Amino acid sequence: EPEVTQTPSHQVTQMGQEVILRCVPISNHLYFYWYRQILGQKVEFLVSFYNNEISEKSEIFDDQFSVERPDGSNFTLKIRSTKLEDSAMYFCASTPQSTNEKLFFGSGTQLSVL
Amino acid sequence: QKEVEQDPGPLSVPEGAIVSLNCTYSNSAFQYFMWYRQYSRKGPELLMYTYSSGNKEDGRFTAQVDKSSKYISLFIRDSQPSDSATYLCAMDYNQGGKLIFGQGTELSVKP
Repeated sequence: EPEVTQTPSHQVTQMGQEVILRCVPISNHLYFYWYRQILGQKVEFLVSFYNNEISEKSEIFDDQFSVERPDGSNFTLKIRSTKLEDSAMYFCASTPQSTNEKLFFGSGTQLSVL
Repeated sequence: QKEVEQDPGPLSVPEGAIVSLNCTYSNSAFQYFMWYRQYSRKGPELLMYTYSSGNKEDGRFTAQVDKSSKYISLFIRDSQPSDSATYLCAMDYNQGGKLIFGQGTELSVKP
């Protein structure tokens, strides 16, 4: 069964450093998402992306965050200057069309900011 | 009032029991209702998907939506130890994929 792949599974960084989280969505999917889950809290929507543009973003997704689809297979989330409160599990998700019925999540990248 | 509320548990049941998981919500604009299962250190996995009110059954799982009460439920029949996981309810206003999740209920099924 096809799956969304995220790398690395765990990333440790120093506060103020830039990080890039990488995702390979399912190959025929067109809509891409990032969510995050701070330990013990709810899964939260960050951003949706379609046709090389951000479709929607949450209040969390401020100027420190950016997303990119640099080629036909990867989808990345960049945090420019990490803060302690950015420590969380980040999930990438994708869907083949504008529907939430086939929204598949990756296994996540655990980001630890020290 | 929180948009989506879910009892975090933990909930412990014996194998074979019927499990009932619930969420309430405050915004009547939600139209799409989902249940996800999340194992430790893994991403959410879609279990059930319902549009508007009504029931939906898939094997041992039944999802119910009552929009008049703003209340959704997931029932698991003949629960198995492999059902032990965190169950997340999620909702969406449209097909945009901006899901609003509940806190998640941690379920443990004891052999």
